This record gives sequence, structure tokens and C-alpha cells, in this order.
Amino acid sequence: DTAVSQTPKYLVTQMGNDKSIKCEQNLGHDTMYWYKQDSKKFLKIMFSYNNKELIINETVPNRFSPKSPDKAHLNLHINSLELGDSAVYFCASSQTGTLYGYTFGSGTRLTVV
Amino acid sequence: GQQLNQSPQSMFIQEGEDVSMNCTSSSIFNTWLWYKQDPGEGPVLLIALYKAGELTSNGRLTAQFGITRKDSFLNISASIPSDVGIYFCARDYGGSQGNLIFGKGTKLSVKP
Repeated sequence: DTAVSQTPKYLVTQMGNDKSIKCEQNLGHDTMYWYKQDSKKFLKIMFSYNNKELIINETVPNRFSPKSPDKAHLNLHINSLELGDSAVYFCASSQTGTLYGYTFGSGTRLTVV
Repeated sequence: GQQLNQSPQSMFIQEGEDVSMNCTSSSIFNTWLWYKQDPGEGPVLLIALYKAGELTSNGRLTAQFGITRKDSFLNISASIPSDVGIYFCARDYGGSQGNLIFGKGTKLSVKP
């Protein structure tokens, strides 16, 4: 069983489109995250969310929005895609109070053309 | 003060050699994490350090939390081809959420 699963694995789309990436975790964690990894492999937090609090990295454009239908899911919506949005996006989850079980998905490679 | 300086940026070694990489920060903090990322996969936690001076091993991997709480190193002994990947140090951003700040990674290549 995959602990943190993301779909799709690859996404190629044109500039200006709106797209979503889905994430699901079956670990029973209470917090989920989205990270962006650029072409230089630099990983940066975008959002963290539990049922009480959404924390947004101030550098993230408001074209990006996380949506959580329930505790096990945190989807990432991106509006008006730009070339610079091309990257690998990772979902992750953890349980409040411990970092040891912090688990990442296998990533979604987004290419904007 | 929240940036992590990780070095070296890349390493090319022969199978069987030992490897050492480190991370430093200008600020002190309470947690060091070391992750490995295989190609096409997400980062996987290798070792977590929670106390200054702590030395922890995981198989051929050993990591230490510096006594000043501003640095950490990761050693890999007797490297094998499957050690290839990118190694990241990370720390907790702080606050109620577990946001992680990552170093820029050390890309390890192992020649059989």
C-alpha cells in the first residue's frame, strides 16, 4: 500500500490552463503539505494544512490553492499556469508533534509548454 | 538565518569509499533530519536528530547533531552503487506546523 500517493505522475499542459494534482495519505496523519522542487533540485515548502490551520508560504503566487475535502486528502489547484510553474511537486504528510514519520509522495512532474 | 548551507554540492566516489557531507546554519534549532532522494521518487527519511551532540546510526549511515546546534554531518561508510542519489539535510521551520526547510542537496555518484 502506498502511504502517500499523488496523481498524476506526469502532467504536460499549455500556458494559461488550470490544473489540479491530487494527493491522498493512508497513514492517519493530521497534517499534509505541498512542496515544490525546481530544476536545481531545491525543495521548498508551499503549504501546510491540518483541520485547524492553513499556512501558506508567502512566496507562493495566489494562483496556487490547496483544497482538502477531508483529512486524508490535500489537492493542489493551479490557475493560469505559467512556464515558471514547471517543476516537480511533492505532497507529504506527518502527525503533529513528531517529525519522524514525515512521509513524501513520489512527486508529480509538471511541464508547462 | 533560516537557510541551510549543505556541502559538497556533488561527489563522485568509488564503490567501497566512505562519504561525508555536512550542513550548517547561522541560527540554532532543535532538529536535524537527513533525507535521501532516489531519481523519480520523493525524499525518504534516513535519520532524525533531536539533541545537540546526538550521534545516531542507521546501518552504514551515521549522523551527528553538532554541539553548537548549528550544524550536522552525515557519513556513509563502504559505499555501494545503490547509495546513488541526492542527500538532503532539513530542519523544522518551527511553529505548530511541521514545515521543513531543506538544504540544497548533495548529489552522490558511486562508480562500481
